[in-house]
Amino acid sequence: GQNIDQPTEMTATEGAIVQINCTYQTSGFNGLFWYQQHAGEAPTFLSYNVLDGLEEKGRFSSFLSRSKGYSYLLLKELQMKDSASYLCAVMDSNYQLIWGAGTKLIIKP
Amino acid sequence: SAVISQKPSRDICQRGTSLTIQCQVDSQVTMMFWYRQQPGQSLTLIATANQGSEATYESGFVIDKFPISRPNLTFSTLTVSNMSPEDSSIYLCSVTIDREGTGELFFGEGSRLTVL
Repeated sequence: GQNIDQPTEMTATEGAIVQINCTYQTSGFNGLFWYQQHAGEAPTFLSYNVLDGLEEKGRFSSFLSRSKGYSYLLLKELQMKDSASYLCAVMDSNYQLIWGAGTKLIIKP
Repeated sequence: SAVISQKPSRDICQRGTSLTIQCQVDSQVTMMFWYRQQPGQSLTLIATANQGSEATYESGFVIDKFPISRPNLTFSTLTVSNMSPEDSSIYLCSVTIDREGTGELFFGEGSRLTVL
């Protein structure tokens, strides 16, 4: 079957760095997405990786290793507003999105 | 980008009734999808709304339970029929504006349904 694994919850301190991991097993691969979802709101797009390596976008970076079926989202200089759920999703060979359950990130002062 | 208006934002419904959720996009989009998100769980794709034809349903979802309309490229509805408490969930409309349908998804704010 297809599955996406990511930690259920993580806690970090304001100003620090946190890395959220995502491992996947899918039928084919056409890219990996990270979305941010604040409580009670719609998910919003953060990043898209289709080639191995690191993509940096401001305070957020996303890394992909296709051979290992692994990605991480790196958040630097954490702010209280970064408290949210972070969803990892992989597009399979049929261009279907397979979603992880999300990682709830709690930022403490 | 795309701006998606979804309504109702929330509703409390009685068992056995049906509710229709509307999704309006501010521009013509190639693909429209309906998702369900239960508390603490993944997004689950219900179906792809096809303009002018029947929706394409995922395994575990059927047209009789979740009829979908998409009369044009900017509007779709999802009906949750004969509701039971197990249908209590957030229902999300999403779209992609990428021609190949492989790009970024934009989401509506969601419709939170509680079935008593």
